[in-house]
Amino acid sequence: SQTIHQWPATLVQPVGSPLSLECTVEGTSNPNLYWYRQAAGRGLQLLFYSVGIGQISSEVPQNLSASRPQDRQFILSSKKLLLSDSGFYLCAWSRGGMNTEAFFGQGTRLTVV
Amino acid sequence: GNSVTQMEGPVTLSEEAFLTINCTYTATGYPSLFWYVQYPGEGLQLLLKATKADDKGSNKGFEATYRKETTSFHLEKGSVQVSDSAVYFCATDGGRRALTFGSGTRLQVQP
Repeated sequence: SQTIHQWPATLVQPVGSPLSLECTVEGTSNPNLYWYRQAAGRGLQLLFYSVGIGQISSEVPQNLSASRPQDRQFILSSKKLLLSDSGFYLCAWSRGGMNTEAFFGQGTRLTVV
Repeated sequence: GNSVTQMEGPVTLSEEAFLTINCTYTATGYPSLFWYVQYPGEGLQLLLKATKADDKGSNKGFEATYRKETTSFHLEKGSVQVSDSAVYFCATDGGRRALTFGSGTRLQVQP
């Protein structure tokens, strides 16, 4: 069976510090991978998605970047965090191609102070 | 572009009441439609889905029917339980490779 791991679960970082959130998927190959952000009391905003190694599509210009160094690894980064980067970050995967049914990780609660 | 509109919450019901959460969508092509549920502090779990017009998705007593003529995918359950308290998200792919979500509707079920 397929599983998705996302860590850390919670993170408190000062303004201006770097960020690295990691997500890995097990039990499947060549998945589509996604990073979403959920601001407090709001819906989900798609940040990045990837259909293959090194292929990243950015949905919203911002302070964040994503990388996919391996087939089942997806990393969300920032060089300098802003207060507005606080939120709940969710990694997700779907089977390749046009199958869009997504499976989510447990999320990372990021608080920038 | 694709968009999903959900009724605003919170929705507060007594146990065993009937639930409806409205969802309408705007999408190109032949979209698939989804309902996800999020329990406090957790990620999203797929609740049900429908991939073509007139399909009915169902799971755990929840149902939703894909209505192309009204571009709707309303979520219903005949008798809610306290354990159904969560945030519910409607979503569509709209022919893209990523889902577009609604803003979520919080459901609170009181004993």
